[in-house]
Amino acid sequence: AQSVTQPDIHITVSEGASLELRCNYSYGATPYLFWYVQSPGQGLQLLLKYFSGDTLVQGIKGFEAEFKRSQSSFNLRKPSVHWSDAAEYFCAVGASDYKLSFGAGTTVTVRA
Amino acid sequence: SQTIHQWPATLVQPVGSPLSLECTVEGTSNPNLYWYRQAAGRGLQLLFYSVGIGQISSEVPQNLSASRPQDRQFILSSKKLLLSDSGFYLCAWSGGGSGGGKTQYFGPGTRLLVL
Repeated sequence: AQSVTQPDIHITVSEGASLELRCNYSYGATPYLFWYVQSPGQGLQLLLKYFSGDTLVQGIKGFEAEFKRSQSSFNLRKPSVHWSDAAEYFCAVGASDYKLSFGAGTTVTVRA
Repeated sequence: SQTIHQWPATLVQPVGSPLSLECTVEGTSNPNLYWYRQAAGRGLQLLFYSVGIGQISSEVPQNLSASRPQDRQFILSSKKLLLSDSGFYLCAWSGGGSGGGKTQYFGPGTRLLVL
């Protein structure tokens, strides 16, 4: 069975600074990888996904993620965060039966 | 375009009362449908998924049940709520069929508080 680890529970970053959120997965075959964002009291919004091909994927809101098979990682990055990026971020891995396993999430706080 | 609706948005129920949460999807046919629960400060736990009308798979044994009476309708139910059923319930859909859709899209969620 697949699993996801997000090592950072909470990250605080200054507005305009860069952001990197870590995600490590465990899965025997080629995974399908996702990043979602959740604002308080809201559902999850898809930021980006990786199925195959170019290991650097671009998403919405200026986010990108890089798939590194050798490190079993799929880290999310943004060069310059905005106050509106404060939210909870979830990494997820999908298996061939299309069920997703989610990490516990990383809460991002943006300070002025 | 596809949209997913959940209602109610918020629900406060006494222990032992029944529950019915509804999820509907528009703009697609034969979707895969999912129910997740998100407890405070925790990740998402898959409760049920469905690949077609009347086809329900349970991931976690509990006092909840799910039904899919129509192609784009997914209902989460309970006969008697427990305090531990409190949480944020999310419905999601993905493309169905043999090719299947790998990407899941989430609804706005229902906040359930059991007192």
